[in-house]
Amino acid sequence: DTAVSQTPKYLVTQMGNDKSIKCEQNLGHDTMYWYKQDSKKFLKIMFSYNNKELIINETVPNRFSPKSPDKAHLNLHINSLELGDSAVYFCASSPTGVAGELFFGEGSRLTVL
Amino acid sequence: QKEVEQDPGPLSVPEGAIVSLNCTYSNSAFQYFMWYRQYSRKGPELLMYTYSSGNKEDGRFTAQVDKSSKYISLFIRDSQPSDSATYLCAMSEGDDKIIFGKGTRLHILP
Repeated sequence: DTAVSQTPKYLVTQMGNDKSIKCEQNLGHDTMYWYKQDSKKFLKIMFSYNNKELIINETVPNRFSPKSPDKAHLNLHINSLELGDSAVYFCASSPTGVAGELFFGEGSRLTVL
Repeated sequence: QKEVEQDPGPLSVPEGAIVSLNCTYSNSAFQYFMWYRQYSRKGPELLMYTYSSGNKEDGRFTAQVDKSSKYISLFIRDSQPSDSATYLCAMSEGDDKIIFGKGTRLHILP
């Protein structure tokens, strides 16, 4: 069973469209994250949720809206996609009280044309 | 100055060599130090996890933290072609915000 799963794995879309990426974890962790990895492999935190509550929001444009319906799911919706949004988006989870022990999904590769 | 600095490489070494990967950082409040390994088109996976200063060994991997110099290292002994990957250092003050370095691409030549 995949511990952290993301869908879709690949997404190709036009500028201006709206898209969503879904993430689910079956590890029982309380904290979930979205990270963005650019073409140079730089992994930057976007959001963190703990038990459905937003904890970290790292100066991300308002076009990005995370939603956590329950502690096992964290989705990312992106409005009005721009070329600069092209990247790999990683979902991750971690157990409470173990700072830094992240379990990542396989990533969702977004290409905006 | 960026919070975490890491040489992007690529670093190419022959099989069997000892590999040394390093990161420097500026935030003296960092307490937790991690190394992640990322294979091509995969998510990062946690390799080593250390708290505060000191050394930690796990098989062929040794992580070192020198908080006085704000410098961390990962050593890989008897390197194998399967170790070829991008290695990312990561740090945290103890909260949920984990800051990553840019990653070093490592190639182990057979």
